[in-house]
Amino acid sequence: QVQLVQSGAEVKKPGASVKVSCKASGYTFTGYYMHWVRQAPGQGLEWMGRINPNSGGTNYAQKFQGRVTMTRDTSISTAYMELSRLRSDDTAVYYCARDIAAALSLWGQGTLVTVSS
Amino acid sequence: EIVMTQSPATLSVSPGERATLSCRASQSVSSNLAWYQQKPGQAPRLLIYGASTRATGIPARFSGSGSGTEFTLTISSLQSEDFAVYYCQQYNNWWTFGQGTKVEIK
Repeated sequence: QVQLVQSGAEVKKPGASVKVSCKASGYTFTGYYMHWVRQAPGQGLEWMGRINPNSGGTNYAQKFQGRVTMTRDTSISTAYMELSRLRSDDTAVYYCARDIAAALSLWGQGTLVTVSS
Repeated sequence: EIVMTQSPATLSVSPGERATLSCRASQSVSSNLAWYQQKPGQAPRLLIYGASTRATGIPARFSGSGSGTEFTLTISSLQSEDFAVYYCQQYNNWWTFGQGTKVEIK
C-alpha cells in the first residue's frame, strides 16, 4: 500500500526545535520529491519546501530559510523536517506530501505541532 | 512570489447543483495549476493537475480549465461528499496555494 506515515503530535516551548518524520512505503522512496506543507489552525495551506530523496538536495520557501532543515534517510525510506527557533505562530499541522509531475499526489496524515509556554 | 487568489471565499450550493470555483494567479503559471479538496480533520486530496487532468480515482463530475492566470474548477452535480474546502496551487514558480473556497450546503 502506497502511503506516508508521519510521527505523532508534539508540544514545544518557544525557542525550541521540532523534528517531524515521514515514512514512505509502497513505492520507490528515492523516485519522487518530498514536500512539506503546513496549516495553522483554521487557516490555509503554506508550502515550506521540498527535498530530493535521491540526492538530498533541498529547496526552501524564502519565509523559512535559515529556520528549516529537510533531510532524509534512504535506508528506512524516511524524510524529516526540522524547524528551529519555534514561535507561537508556528503552531500548525505539518504535512509531508509526495510530488508527481510537481503536483502533490500523496499526503501524510499530518502532525500537529503546538508551540506554547 | 506568485500570489493565488480564489473566489468566492464561500459558495453555498444545493446538492445536485453545479459549482464553479475561480482561481487567479498574479502572473502567468502556464498550465502548472492543481486543485485540492480538504475535509475537516483530513489531509488535502489532489483532484486536478496540469489545470485540467483529473488525478487517479477522481470522479468525472470534477473538471478543471484555464491557463495563464485564470482557472476554474467545476463540480457538475454536487454530491454530499463534495462539501469541503478547495484550494488551488501553482507550481510554475515554486509552490503557492490560494486561500481556499469553502463549498457549503445551501
